[in-house]
Amino acid sequence: GNSVTQMEGPVTLSEEAFLTINCTYTATGYPSLFWYVQYPGEGLQLLLKATKADDKGSNKGFEATYRKETTSFHLEKGSVQVSDSAVYFCALIIYNQGGKLIFGQGTELSVKP
Amino acid sequence: DAMVIQNPRYQVTQFGKPVTLSCSQTLNHNVMYWYQQKSSQAPKLLFHYYDKDFNNEADTPDNFQSRRPNTSFCFLDIRSPGLGDAAMYLCATSTGRVGGYTFGSGTRLTVV
Repeated sequence: GNSVTQMEGPVTLSEEAFLTINCTYTATGYPSLFWYVQYPGEGLQLLLKATKADDKGSNKGFEATYRKETTSFHLEKGSVQVSDSAVYFCALIIYNQGGKLIFGQGTELSVKP
Repeated sequence: DAMVIQNPRYQVTQFGKPVTLSCSQTLNHNVMYWYQQKSSQAPKLLFHYYDKDFNNEADTPDNFQSRRPNTSFCFLDIRSPGLGDAAMYLCATSTGRVGGYTFGSGTRLTVV
């Protein structure tokens, strides 16, 4: 089946530290990959996406590269800010299999001043 | 700005009293989704509409129903809310093609 696995949280970092949140996937087709962010009490916001192998998605200093050989889509940011504190969800869609968005379990990030 | 709007942001209902949550979109997307998200968990898909075609997830309780009277609006009806139905309910839309989903801000439901 199709699934997404993320590193467990919570992740606690100091401001300006380097962030990596690991995400791996299992897919029977050719997925598009996404990172969503959820701030406390809010809905989900699309952070970045990649639709084919070797694509790099980027937004607001965050990056993730679609690695087909390792079935991974790790999220990185070179210098985190307190305002980046949120829950991050990795997700995939396989459009020719009904187009359902399949989420990982989420990783909570807490950035301390 | 084109967007997905959910009303209300916070809803309190009594145990067993029917409640309806609403979602509207200005994106003109074909597909609309309802997700349930409990605390510290990933969102769980309840059902979705592709245009007027309704698709129920196999494990969605019968207590949950949905209506989509037109392209712009979609409603989630909970016929007899239980304490276990307290959650954030997220509406999302998509074109059904590459691009991902657009989510609303959610409705947080409390059952008392």
